[in-house]
Amino acid sequence: AQTVTQSQPEMSVQEAETVTLSCTYDTSENNYYLFWYKQPPSRQMILVIRQEAYKQQNATENRFSVNFQKAAKSFSLKISDSQLGDTAMYFCAFRTGNYGQNFVFGPGTRLSVLP
Amino acid sequence: EAGVTQFPSHSVIEKGQTVTLRCDPISGHDNLYWYRRVMGKEIKFLLHFVKESKQDESGMPNNRFLAERTGGTYSTLKVQPAELEDSGVYFCASSQVSGPGYEQYFGPGTRLTVT
Repeated sequence: AQTVTQSQPEMSVQEAETVTLSCTYDTSENNYYLFWYKQPPSRQMILVIRQEAYKQQNATENRFSVNFQKAAKSFSLKISDSQLGDTAMYFCAFRTGNYGQNFVFGPGTRLSVLP
Repeated sequence: EAGVTQFPSHSVIEKGQTVTLRCDPISGHDNLYWYRRVMGKEIKFLLHFVKESKQDESGMPNNRFLAERTGGTYSTLKVQPAELEDSGVYFCASSQVSGPGYEQYFGPGTRLTVT
């Protein structure tokens, strides 16, 4: 069975600085997808960034980028130039490449961006 | 375009009572998913509808939980009778395509507290 681990329950960062959230996963699959979702306080979860395991290039979405290390089964999220609106719970999620399989989520990291 | 909505946002009930949660997916999304997050742990998959049919209900914890999606539009999740361990946040998500690399759009969740 697949598992996703987020070892940092809580983190904080000063506004405009850079922060990295860690995520590791365990799987025997070779074809899969990794996601970072964020849930701001009292709002819905939204997709931040997505990575296909077969792509070596790290995904980037504006200030958000990932460091995907397939051999190490690591998928960290880097947030550059942190903004107050980045304050949220961040969930790392895994999904196999097989149709019919659903998300496996990590326990989340609560990020606070401090003014 | 309206996002996924869930009602109520918060429900407090006593052990043994019944509660019904509702999810309205994004219009046109045939795929609807239920997840829950218990006591700050990881978000876990409950079940997946394609239109009105249950595609996968492998995550449903026991027969006290009943999910329906009559007419393939909104869905309800009924817990009867509720137990203390059912407390948590219940998320609904929808997607147009059910493929593994595709985004699921989440609602804000219903926080259920069983006392």
